[in-house]
Amino acid sequence: AQSVTQLGSHVSVSEGALVLLRCNYSSSVPPYLFWYVQYPNQGLQLLLKYTTGATLVKGINGFEAEFKKSETSFHLTKPSAHMSDAAEYFCAASWTSGSRLTFGEGTQLTVNP
Amino acid sequence: DVKVTQSSRYLVKRTGEKVFLECVQDMDHENMFWYRQDPGLGLRLIYFSYDVKMKEKGDIPEGYSVSREKKERFSLILESASTNQTSMYLCAAGVGPGANVLTFGAGSRLTVL
Repeated sequence: AQSVTQLGSHVSVSEGALVLLRCNYSSSVPPYLFWYVQYPNQGLQLLLKYTTGATLVKGINGFEAEFKKSETSFHLTKPSAHMSDAAEYFCAASWTSGSRLTFGEGTQLTVNP
Repeated sequence: DVKVTQSSRYLVKRTGEKVFLECVQDMDHENMFWYRQDPGLGLRLIYFSYDVKMKEKGDIPEGYSVSREKKERFSLILESASTNQTSMYLCAAGVGPGANVLTFGAGSRLTVL
């Protein structure tokens, strides 16, 4: 079965440090790829998506992700963490049309002052 | 922007009760989804629907059913609630094919005693 794996259920960084959240998918067929963010007591919001074209995708709040087909990865980065970035982040993939997404386990990001 | 509204943010029910979770979207999106969110497991798809009166099983449909009588409304039903159904339930709506972007509701946290 196709799946999405996020390495690290908890990531802690200092304010101003680089944020790197890892995501890998399990298929030789590249899917559409997404990162969503969930702030406390809220639903999920789309950060960015990769469908086709440029492999480096820029999203909201200074986040970006790079699709690497050879590594089946779609890691999320931000050059400088802000306290407001503390949230849970979900990587998701879709191999079909019609919006059906497969989610990773989630990574809780903590930003320390 | 599409808005997805879940009628109940917090519910407490007793084992064996019938539970209805309601979800309404305010745009004309064909696709609607119910996910369950548990720590360390990410989001798992329970049921989805691509059209009125149409439903498809997701990855964990056991113990659940759904109803979609109108395009804007998608209900999740727990016929006889059990303690292992204590969880956060997220409804989402989306437009396919291709873009696969989902808009999520704020979630319904269900506790079954």
